[in-house]
Amino acid sequence: QVQLQESGPGLVKPSETLSLTCVVSGDSIDSYYWSWIRQSPGQGLEWIGYVSNSGTTNYNPSLKSRVTISADTSKNHLSLKMSSVTTADTAVYFCARMLVVDAFDVWGQGTIVSVSS
Amino acid sequence: ETVLTQSPATLSLSPGDRATLSCRASESVNTYLAWYQQKPGQAPRLLIYDASNRAPGIPARFSGSGSGTDFTLTISSLEPEDFAVYYCHQRSRRLIFTFGPGTRVDF
Repeated sequence: QVQLQESGPGLVKPSETLSLTCVVSGDSIDSYYWSWIRQSPGQGLEWIGYVSNSGTTNYNPSLKSRVTISADTSKNHLSLKMSSVTTADTAVYFCARMLVVDAFDVWGQGTIVSVSS
Repeated sequence: ETVLTQSPATLSLSPGDRATLSCRASESVNTYLAWYQQKPGQAPRLLIYDASNRAPGIPARFSGSGSGTDFTLTISSLEPEDFAVYYCHQRSRRLIFTFGPGTRVDF
């Protein structure tokens, strides 16, 4: 059974770079596409971007200039880097597997990131 | 960017009732529309993908329909565990993904 586990610093200062990791177990990351999605407190869901099974990436146009998503097949994990964060980037960040590139069928439990000085 | 609108914002029902949730896209998304259920403190759970396909393990009381710009999620008879927030989600031809604002089903 595939499981995803996000991890990260929890607290990031404004203007710094946020770095998160998603460890995938029970499946190989080079078999699927994988996305990062976030949810601001009390708000809806926002797709951040994906990395494909061949390493290509695609990003939400509103975040594209600040985001990098990558996959490390040797460690079977994904990474998210978001630069120049502001308080608006405070959210729960989820990683998710993509089902036939149309939907997100397996999710991690999410990791809370707060941006504050 | 394709914008999704969900209605109603809140649906107040009782166990055993039929729930009908609507999702409308600002332009055609063909059938690239999915539905998710989210409970407090949990990650979303995929219910329906490609407008009408139930995800593995999802009970038959959940069904999806629609194509183009208008979609519906129906829960035929609400169980106590179905009270949650439901989101629709679409993917565009350029593989850009957006979510609707959600419908809360409560009692």
